[in-house]
Amino acid sequence: GAVVSQHPSRVICKSGTSVKIECRSLDFQATTMFWYRQFPKQSLMLMATSNEGSKATYEQGVEKDKFLINHASLTLSTLTVTSAHPEDSSFYICSASYGGVTEAFFGQGTRLTVV
Amino acid sequence: AQTVTQSQPEMSVQEAETVTLSCTYDTSESDYYLFWYKQPPSRQMILVIRQEAYKQQNATENRFSVNFQKAAKSFSLKISDSQLGDAAMYFCAYRNPQGAQKLVFGQGTRLTINP
Repeated sequence: GAVVSQHPSRVICKSGTSVKIECRSLDFQATTMFWYRQFPKQSLMLMATSNEGSKATYEQGVEKDKFLINHASLTLSTLTVTSAHPEDSSFYICSASYGGVTEAFFGQGTRLTVV
Repeated sequence: AQTVTQSQPEMSVQEAETVTLSCTYDTSESDYYLFWYKQPPSRQMILVIRQEAYKQQNATENRFSVNFQKAAKSFSLKISDSQLGDAAMYFCAYRNPQGAQKLVFGQGTRLTINP
């Protein structure tokens, strides 16, 4: 099956610094990647959709200057949380898809803690 | 915009028994996909079962089956012979086959299996 690898699985950063999360499709070319945020005991909230080679489409209320998404290749998308603050602490999950399949494939998630 | 509603925040079932998780959705589309995802404590999203809206036959995957009622916009998940490993958060999700193809998730149902 299609495998999506997300790295790192856990990260702790200091307030005011930036942190980058990578999402890689290991055995397929991901034409579209999605980034979600999940608060404790809540559902997944879509942050943005990215297509290879084009700018990401952000959901309403998501700060595009704070959550920078780059989808530079068909196998890699990155989410950079800039000038992180404690309220950015959360669980971030990526998923990837390609044409002809009905499902999306999920990474393992990244737990971000900003101290 | 499409919405997905899971009205049962928590459910519990005795091991080896059967449990049904409810999901309703709202859409004006006639063609779409529906999914049930499982999120165990590891927080890895795992696809349990999928249903294409154009198919009248309910999907089944071993002990998991759905009751898809298109007119009622209902998509429930039945787990037979519940096992301890079934304990997890279960999310119902909707996806358009066209456009952004993003997943819209319900609020989730936490399933506990009692030994």
